[in-house]
Amino acid sequence: DSGVTQTPKHLITATGQRVTLRCSPRSGDLSVYWYQQSLDQGLQFLIQYYNGEERAKGNILERFSAQQFPDLHSELNLSSLELGDSALYFCASSSTGGLGTEAFFGQGTRLTVV
Amino acid sequence: ILNVEQSPQSLHVQEGDSTNFTCSFPSSNFYALHWYRWETAKSPEALFVMTLNGDEKKKGRISATLNTKEGYSYLYIKGSQPEDSATYLCARNQGGKLIFGQGTELSVKP
Repeated sequence: DSGVTQTPKHLITATGQRVTLRCSPRSGDLSVYWYQQSLDQGLQFLIQYYNGEERAKGNILERFSAQQFPDLHSELNLSSLELGDSALYFCASSSTGGLGTEAFFGQGTRLTVV
Repeated sequence: ILNVEQSPQSLHVQEGDSTNFTCSFPSSNFYALHWYRWETAKSPEALFVMTLNGDEKKKGRISATLNTKEGYSYLYIKGSQPEDSATYLCARNQGGKLIFGQGTELSVKP
């Protein structure tokens, strides 16, 4: 158990809908990362937050947004969902988000858009 | 090299074989290189984080080296066991972004 909790584990929704994925980082970790893994694709970096502020951004679609709250949990909001958004979404956390700090991954949320 | 690249894509070995894989990455503006182990139906688990040129790290039968000047890292597994079967990912830390390679899928047959 990495200490990173993601909910829900599975989500099935229809095209055009909006969903929220939640991540609780390890106790004491200030940095949260979000990744997307689509079929036959590697882990694609979406966004990183550090202590409530956005620190780095990847190829995150405009339909997607995220935030990190004062209690350090993070939410990834996906709207106007398309079939191609079906993927495994991972959250990871690290203590500082610094250069030599390892990241700990949650179990992922599997999103299926039908 | 513009992205993080890993080779080979997959590897099938017999129990007891030693094996190694390569991670290549842009050598400019290097910060850190991470190795992760990802078993099926689980989440990626950190193996090593390396920051200095010439770094060598070891955990049991698994070790890794880093060459930041030429932009590559090797992961070695000595005496592979079936439980080593997993996808091994490397990731380059680019100013906070952890950019992953596609991984090397290792299968160890008993």
